[in-house]
Amino acid sequence: GDSVTQMEGPVTLSEEAFLTINCTYTATGYPSLFWYVQYPGEGLQLLLKATKADDKGSNKGFEATYRKETTSFHLEKGSVQVSDSAVYFCALSSKGAQKLVFGQGTRLTINP
Amino acid sequence: DSGVTQTPKHLITATGQRVTLRCSPRSGDLSVYWYQQSLDQGLQFLIQYYNGEERAKGNILERFSAQQFPDLHSELNLSSLELGDSALYFCASSPTRATNQETQYFGPGTRLLVL
Repeated sequence: GDSVTQMEGPVTLSEEAFLTINCTYTATGYPSLFWYVQYPGEGLQLLLKATKADDKGSNKGFEATYRKETTSFHLEKGSVQVSDSAVYFCALSSKGAQKLVFGQGTRLTINP
Repeated sequence: DSGVTQTPKHLITATGQRVTLRCSPRSGDLSVYWYQQSLDQGLQFLIQYYNGEERAKGNILERFSAQQFPDLHSELNLSSLELGDSALYFCASSPTRATNQETQYFGPGTRLLVL
């Protein structure tokens, strides 16, 4: 079945560091790919998405590119801020379905 | 604020009991989804309703049931509760059922603790 694998956390970085959170997926066909973020005590918010191969999703300085050949959707940000501290979830939604399949989440902490 | 509301925010109950979690989707959204977030299982899809009808089912236990009402709000009923049912339960909504490209908007969740 469909699955998403994220890099193990937690990840701790200093402010202004470069961020990469790896995400790979297994799915039949061409799924849509999402990054959601969960701030402490809150629900999930969509960060960005990509719906076809080679699409790049971007928002708030975060980017991720849909790579079909490597079945990956890695999240990157050039310069992180303390306010980026949260749990990040990679997810997919397969064609013909709408349910989201989530990775295990990566907790990110940014120190000033 | 996503526009999706969930009540109650917290729920503490005992094993064997039954609880009802409520969700109101964003205005105009016809699809409602329920997810369970637990430490050991992560975030898992439970069930989807579209305009009052069940659309898709995931890893939902037989002790759990859901429905969507004519005003589009949804309820998740959990019965014969066990310690392992303690989790954060999220509701999400999206406009239609037409495509897997739609964004799902999540509520703040209901934290259930079974003692």
